[in-house]
Amino acid sequence: DAKTTQPTSMDCAEGRAANLPCNHSTISGNEYVYWYRQIHSQGPQYIIHGLKNNETNEMASLIITEDRKSSTLILPHATLRDTAVYYCIVRVGYGNKLVFGAGTILRVKS
Amino acid sequence: GAVVSQHPSWVICKSGTSVKIECRSLDFQATTMFWYRQFPKQSLMLMATSNEGSKATYEQGVEKDKFLINHASLTLSTLTVTSAHPEDSSFYICSASRTRVWADTQYFGPGTRLTVL
Repeated sequence: DAKTTQPTSMDCAEGRAANLPCNHSTISGNEYVYWYRQIHSQGPQYIIHGLKNNETNEMASLIITEDRKSSTLILPHATLRDTAVYYCIVRVGYGNKLVFGAGTILRVKS
Repeated sequence: GAVVSQHPSWVICKSGTSVKIECRSLDFQATTMFWYRQFPKQSLMLMATSNEGSKATYEQGVEKDKFLINHASLTLSTLTVTSAHPEDSSFYICSASRTRVWADTQYFGPGTRLTVL
């Protein structure tokens, strides 16, 4: 099963881009990379997911390296409300299970 | 779209009583629902996977007789914590996906904070 490695915490200035890295060197060819975030005392919020190509939606962009061993989530203009724990998840096994690691605590500061 | 609700948002109960938590998909039909538990300052831990009309599949170490899961319709799943004890106090979160297909996106509810006195 693919595992992910993320930095424990990161700081970002309000209005700047937040770039959150994730390593998943053992990812299989058919496994997607998912990003969720969890604001304190709330349920996780889906952000974006991808397989091979870079993806963009109204919340963020996902950049996946060509060898798929790492990815970066980009929040283009971070706000204070983006302060949260960000989880990079590679789907493991069959049956749509998500296995959450420790994630990255992103602190957006004014 | 893809809104999941939970009820109640928080509950306090006495030790030995049972507590039921509801998880609803409001604007889509959820073939599969998942239940997670999160202790303070820890990550989410999957407890069980529930497919509509089938028995739930529990993760290793989760007592199926203590955490009863019912997924009787495509929009509702319930988790009943039977004979709750203080160590069951936790943040319980459900999620739902439209299909059983792997990699289908899961959408999460807001969570239910259970405190057992």
